Amino acid sequence: AQTVTQSQPEMSVQEAETVTLSCTYDTSESDYYLFWYKQPPSRQMILVIRQEAYKQQNATENRFSVNFQKAAKSFSLKISDSQLGDAAMYFCAYRSAGVGSGGSNYKLTFGKGTLLTVNP
Amino acid sequence: DTGVSQDPRHKITKRGQNVTFRCDPISEHNRLYWYRQTLGQGPEFLTYFQNEAQLEKSRLLSDRFSAERPKGSFSTLEIQRTEQGDSAMYLCASSRGGNSPLHFGNGTRLTVT
Repeated sequence: AQTVTQSQPEMSVQEAETVTLSCTYDTSESDYYLFWYKQPPSRQMILVIRQEAYKQQNATENRFSVNFQKAAKSFSLKISDSQLGDAAMYFCAYRSAGVGSGGSNYKLTFGKGTLLTVNP
Repeated sequence: DTGVSQDPRHKITKRGQNVTFRCDPISEHNRLYWYRQTLGQGPEFLTYFQNEAQLEKSRLLSDRFSAERPKGSFSTLEIQRTEQGDSAMYLCASSRGGNSPLHFGNGTRLTVT
């Protein structure tokens, strides 16, 4: 079974600064997807960024980028120019790419989350 | 895209009572998922529907839990004889087929007293 570990229960950053959230995972599969989700106090889980394991290029979405190290099974999220609205719980998640790879391609496995505080 | 809608937002019930939650997915999404999130934890998978067929149930879903998705549209999650350990946030999500991303609702927070 796959596991996702977020070793930082809480992080804080000054507004306009950069912060990196860590995530490691364990899997025997070669093809999978990794995600970062944001859950603000309003509770709705929002997809921040997604990475396909077969792609070597790190995904970027505006101020959000990832550092995907497949061999190390590491998937960190970098938030640049942090804004007050970035304050939230951030979850790293794993999903198998498909039944053919030995997994189910619909089930997300989440880490425990990192609570990010942005200080003005 | 009106988003995934869940009702109610909050539910407080006494131990032993039955509760039912509803989820309305995004209209063109054929996949629907239920997750449970307890304090300090990430969401945990409960069950998955493709159209009206329930294709997988987690071992977390005891026999007191039942989920349905009649006609492949909205879904209900019922918990019978609630226990204090059932207190959690119940999240619903939907997606198109393939590797499309999941869209989550706001969740239903259940408190069992």
